[in-house]
Amino acid sequence: QVQLQESGPGLVKPPETLSLTCTVSGGSVSSGTYYWSWVRQPPGKGLEWIGCVSYSGSTTYNPSLKSRVSISADTSKNEFSLKLSSVTAADTAVYYCARVGGQPIGPFDPWGQGALVTVSS
Amino acid sequence: SYVLTQPPSVSVAPGQTARITCGGIHIGSKTVHWYQQKPGQAPVVVIYYDSDRPSGSPERFSGSNSGNTATLTLSGVEAGDEADYYCQLWDDSSAHWVFGGGTKLTVL
Repeated sequence: QVQLQESGPGLVKPPETLSLTCTVSGGSVSSGTYYWSWVRQPPGKGLEWIGCVSYSGSTTYNPSLKSRVSISADTSKNEFSLKLSSVTAADTAVYYCARVGGQPIGPFDPWGQGALVTVSS
Repeated sequence: SYVLTQPPSVSVAPGQTARITCGGIHIGSKTVHWYQQKPGQAPVVVIYYDSDRPSGSPERFSGSNSGNTATLTLSGVEAGDEADYYCQLWDDSSAHWVFGGGTKLTVL
C-alpha cells in the first residue's frame, strides 16, 4: 500500500523559497504510469492544484503559479520535492502531496497527511 | 482554464438524500472524481471515474455525470457524512488538473 509523507520547514520568511519533500513508501516514483502531485489549501479555503512530476520526469504546473514553482523527483531517495519561490503571506497553506493513479484522468489517491507552512517574517 | 462550480453549502436532515453538484462546460465528456474532507484531515476519494466507488466508500455514495453537471448523491445521510466535498477532473485541453471550490455538507 503506497503511503506519502510531507516534510519541511513549517515557517518561511517572505520573500524566501518554500521547500517541501514528499517521501513515498510502498511504491516507486519511477514505476508505473503515475503522476506525483502537490496540492495546497489555504486556511479555510478550497484545494488548489500546484503541479506534478510524472513517472518519466516531465513536469506540469498550474499557470497561476508556474513562474514560481519547481517540482522534481529523486528516484534514488524515492521522493519528490516542491520549491515555491518569492513567497508571500498568500502562500500560507497546508501543502499536500498526492499520487494521480495510472493516467492523467485518474484520481488523486493516496494523499499525504499534509504539512502546514506559514509565511511570516 | 477550465472552471468547476460547486454550491458553497448544502444542508440535509439525517436519513434524507443530499445532492452536491459540480458544473462545468461539457463536463459529461470528462472524467470526474469526488473527495470528502473532514476537518484537520486530508481529502479522501469517495467516488472516482464519475460513478465508481473505491473500497471503503459507503454504498450510500453514488455519482453521475452528464451534460454540464456532475452530481454526488449521498443517500440516507448520517451525521458522520458532514464534511467538505470537492469535485476534480483532468482537463485534457490544457493538460491541467482542476478542483471545484468545494461544498460544505451540513447534517441538520
